[in-house]
Amino acid sequence: ETGVTQTPRHLVMGMTNKKSLKCEQHLGHNAMYWYKQSAKKPLELMFVYNFKEQTENNSVPSRFSPECPNSSHLFLHLHTLQPEDSALYLCASSPRVFNQPQHFGDGTRLSIL
Amino acid sequence: AQKITQTQPGMFVQEKEAVTLDCTYDTSDQSYGLFWYKQPSSGEMIFLIYQGSYDEQNATEGRYSLNFQKARKSANLVISASQLGDSAMYFCAMRALQGGSEKLVFGKGTKLTVNP
Repeated sequence: ETGVTQTPRHLVMGMTNKKSLKCEQHLGHNAMYWYKQSAKKPLELMFVYNFKEQTENNSVPSRFSPECPNSSHLFLHLHTLQPEDSALYLCASSPRVFNQPQHFGDGTRLSIL
Repeated sequence: AQKITQTQPGMFVQEKEAVTLDCTYDTSDQSYGLFWYKQPSSGEMIFLIYQGSYDEQNATEGRYSLNFQKARKSANLVISASQLGDSAMYFCAMRALQGGSEKLVFGKGTKLTVNP
């Protein structure tokens, strides 16, 4: 039980499909994050939300569209993805202070056919 | 720009022995936090230990301790009395807040294998 729940755990989709990843945190944190983890690459920060406002977008392609309706929920909408987008997508939350760790969900393993 | 370097792609250790996982960092920020996470094969990232840039004492959490050498910009993780369940990927990370901007960077990780 991590306090951060991601669904689905696994997703297989074609390049023309549209799907969404969901993240929910029950820790009362005010910052939420999306990361991409590809094989043999460092964890890549994609988006940061602070109190529902997007504060960071690390040059992520527009085929990834985040949504944060409130401080507890974060979505990543996917459309027209490429095979190189296959990866583990991790959601995290934390208080917005530098001396507090992020708490991660179990991730969604995404495969693009 | 911030950077985390983990020079050991893989490490092996015998059960019950201690192991040190290396981490060096580069930043121009004065206030920052250093974190270690464990990632088992199942995928979840588990927070292990934290060291603040102004902390004078090395952090310890059970079998985990952090050898923090600020002048050398290193924050090595020491695991004492290794257990088979310690086999996993280990990531060093740095976090800093500058105005409204948050800086987060992870190293490439070290794969630790504990042998019986």
